[in-house]
Amino acid sequence: NAGVTQTPKFQVLKTGQSMTLQCAQDMNHEYMSWYRQDPGMGLRLIHYSVGAGITDQGEVPNGYNVSRSTTEDFPLRLLSAAPSQTSVYFCASRTDGNQPQHFGDGTRLSIL
Amino acid sequence: GIQVEQSPPDLILQEGANSTLRCNFSDSVNNLQWFHQNPWGQLINLFYIPSGTKQNGRLSATTVATERYSLLYISSSQTTDSGVYFCAVFAGNNRKLIWGLGTSLAVNP
Repeated sequence: NAGVTQTPKFQVLKTGQSMTLQCAQDMNHEYMSWYRQDPGMGLRLIHYSVGAGITDQGEVPNGYNVSRSTTEDFPLRLLSAAPSQTSVYFCASRTDGNQPQHFGDGTRLSIL
Repeated sequence: GIQVEQSPPDLILQEGANSTLRCNFSDSVNNLQWFHQNPWGQLINLFYIPSGTKQNGRLSATTVATERYSLLYISSSQTTDSGVYFCAVFAGNNRKLIWGLGTSLAVNP
């Protein structure tokens, strides 16, 4: 099993550009989540999904869209990138609400 | 909403020393998880521990759910233990993880 795979690992964008961060897991996990990590602020939940076709907002959803058409994939879309979205993004998955969460290696995103 | 507080925020150890990291949470939780974020930014699962004590090599964790805290023990610390240790609790019908701000640990040779 590859676990949780995030691509790309690094990306630089210009303000206003759009981009999709990819996340895939091969563990047949129902729960998937996207977090951003900023210095001194810990991890903050952007969006999450409890199964294919079901998504919900976390703490900081503005500026981001998600979809969950399959169990394996949970892409995060930035429609119009802003410098405030410069961060490290982590995708995570778990079997259900009572199991530990597993993380991808992160995507470092810089918006100029 | 539920609050998660970790202490100390920063810790510097000499290699071989022992340490205890604390995580307090403001309300009842169903589950708690400890992570280590290494200097390369990877988040590594350490323990999934809603209550009781677990051990894994030089690391162990204890959660006392009734008193709303968890402790992470690191014994005989090594330079590879450096990084940030996060505590996170499950809230909202287990759909969300609520994170502490972490303890930044530096182990010097």
